[in-house]
Amino acid sequence: AQKVTQAQTEISVVEKEDVTLDCVYETRDTTYYLFWYKQPPSGELVFLIRRNSFDEQNEISGRYSWNFQKSTSSFNFTITASQVVDSAVYFCALSVSGGYQKVTFGTGTKLQVIP
Amino acid sequence: KAGVTQTPRYLIKTRGQQVTLSCSPISGHRSVSWYQQTPGQGLQFLFEYFSETQRNKGNFPGRFSGRQFSNSRSEMNVSTLELGDSALYLCASSLVTGGPSNEQFFGPGTRLTVL
Repeated sequence: AQKVTQAQTEISVVEKEDVTLDCVYETRDTTYYLFWYKQPPSGELVFLIRRNSFDEQNEISGRYSWNFQKSTSSFNFTITASQVVDSAVYFCALSVSGGYQKVTFGTGTKLQVIP
Repeated sequence: KAGVTQTPRYLIKTRGQQVTLSCSPISGHRSVSWYQQTPGQGLQFLFEYFSETQRNKGNFPGRFSGRQFSNSRSEMNVSTLELGDSALYLCASSLVTGGPSNEQFFGPGTRLTVL
């Protein structure tokens, strides 16, 4: 069975601070995919990034960066110079091979960026 | 390209009633998944359909059912509603193959309140 743990329930930061959202996953599959989604107050989840289990390269996209470490089963997400618009709930998710779509989500981290 | 649409957006029902929710995926997407989101349980996978076939099902009672039509539109039905069924029901679609590597595109959700 798959499991995704986001230990941080809520985080508050002041605008322009950097913040890291933690994600730890469990799976016995060797081929799997990790995702991050953002859910703003409007409610619609928005895809941010996908990473497969064979690609441990970190990725940077603007103010966002992701650190994937198989050795610690972690896929952490850092927002640099946070902005008020970053306030949302962020979900880490895991999908394993099997020919079909079944995604296990973490419980989410609510980020509040204070102006 | 139009996004995933869900109707209705809000619904109020009483215990014992049944409800049908509708989801129209992004054009060309053949995989549709349904999730239940509650404050206590987070995002939980209900089921996934691909080409009118249910490929996977989460751990929900038989009162929760769904179907997919030839145009990929999907409906989910909940019979004999219970108070605990109050939740945000999210629909997500993904690309043709609907494999585990595909990112999902989510609709705005249907907020169901059971009184």
